[in-house]
Amino acid sequence: AQSVTQLGSHVSVSEGALVLLRCNYSSSVPPYLFWYVQYPNQGLQLLLKYTSAATLVKGINGFEAEFKKSETSFHLTKPSAHMSDAAEYFCAARRGGKLIFGQGTELSVKP
Amino acid sequence: EAEVAQSPRYKITEKSQAVAFWCDPISGHATLYWYRQILGQGPELLVQFQDESVVDDSQLPKDRFSAERLKGVDSTLKIQPAELGDSAMYLCASTGNTGELFFGEGSRLTVL
Repeated sequence: AQSVTQLGSHVSVSEGALVLLRCNYSSSVPPYLFWYVQYPNQGLQLLLKYTSAATLVKGINGFEAEFKKSETSFHLTKPSAHMSDAAEYFCAARRGGKLIFGQGTELSVKP
Repeated sequence: EAEVAQSPRYKITEKSQAVAFWCDPISGHATLYWYRQILGQGPELLVQFQDESVVDDSQLPKDRFSAERLKGVDSTLKIQPAELGDSAMYLCASTGNTGELFFGEGSRLTVL
C-alpha cells in the first residue's frame, strides 16, 4: 500500500536559515507527489507538486522540492526562512484518485 | 478566485447528538472528497464522490457516519450519534480535470 513518511514532527529554524522538511514515499512506481501548507484552523494550500515533468519543482513562497527516485524522497526546502513560514506542512502522494498524506511537520521560525 | 465552501467553520456538540457538515465544491469539479484530520495528524480520506456516486468509502465508519451528494454538486457529511473521538477537523476538497485538490477552510468539530 502507498504510504508517506515525514521525518520529524517538529522542525525549528531561525529566521533566515535554511528550511529542510523531509518526506519519503513507499512505492515501486513513483506517484504524483505534493507538498501542502496548513495555517492554524485553516484548510490546506498547495505549495508545489511533482508530476514527473522535472525532478526539481519550484513552488510558491520560495519553496522547492527535489524528487529523488533512488532515495524515494521528495524533501521540501527553502533557502531562507521567514516568520510567516511558521505552519504545518504535509507531504502527500497520489495514486489513482486518492491522496494519501504524511503525518505532518510543524515548522517553527525563531526571530 | 473560486473556492471550496464549507459550513459551519466551528461546531461544538455533546456526545450522542447528531451533527452535519456541508460542502460546496468549486463549480464544475466532478470529484469531491471528505477528509478527517485529527489534531496533530495528517488528513485521512473518509469518502470520495465522482459526481453523485460514491467511489471510495472504505474508511467511513458507516455505523455512525453518512455522506451524500444527491445532485452531484454540494455534499453533506453527517455523524449520528457523535462520540468524543469524532473531535477533529473535517475537510472537504474537490478536483477537476487537472487532478489538483482544492481544499476548503474546514469544519472543526468538538464533541463534549
